[in-house]
Amino acid sequence: DIQMTQSPSSLSASVGDRVTVTCRASQGISNYLAWYQQKPGKVPKLLIYAASTLQSGVPSRFSGSGSGTDFTLTISSLQPEDVATYYCQKYNTDPWTFGQGTKVEIK
Amino acid sequence: EVQLLESGGGLVQPGGSLRLSCAASGFTFSNFAMSWVRQAPGKGLEWVSAVNYSDAGTYYADSVRGRFTISRDDSKTTLYLQMNSLRAEDTALYYCTRLLKYCSGGTCYSRVSDYWGQGTLVTVSS
Repeated sequence: DIQMTQSPSSLSASVGDRVTVTCRASQGISNYLAWYQQKPGKVPKLLIYAASTLQSGVPSRFSGSGSGTDFTLTISSLQPEDVATYYCQKYNTDPWTFGQGTKVEIK
Repeated sequence: EVQLLESGGGLVQPGGSLRLSCAASGFTFSNFAMSWVRQAPGKGLEWVSAVNYSDAGTYYADSVRGRFTISRDDSKTTLYLQMNSLRAEDTALYYCTRLLKYCSGGTCYSRVSDYWGQGTLVTVSS
């Protein structure tokens, strides 16, 4: 099975900073990648699918890029409400595996 | 408004069984694929299973294949997960999710969770 590895596992940044989270697949998955945000104590929320398509209603400061094995989630200007754990998920073939998550905190 | 309401969780002994249900409303249930995703306490997300909307084809994670069965009743707009031979490592919050339909390059996909329920907790312990 294809493994999904996120880095870093956690990060701390200041409000307004540009934040980047990376997700790497152990084999190529084309652009079959989604990103989710899970705030503390809340249900996960879809941010991006097809590697770079922003889900309706998601702020434009979130963006995704990549194809093949390497993918990036970028928050262009970190806001206090962005404190959360972010997960990537591959879905080219089953199993539709999630990455282990990246916890984003405010410095 | 899309609503997904899970039920059926609880405490069960190892080797036991449970059936989870997810009552859906606010959308045409028969037109959407559905899935289950779980999250062990303090851990990350784990995709469990999915069922198509057209041919009711099913998909499973290796960790549950042969023990869990996903099904749907479109007349009742309800998704199910029958869980047998439960193990301690199945302890988790189980989320019901609707799968987003999107098309790209002439092909349509239903594999990304755009709506999530609040979850139902399954605890496997003696």
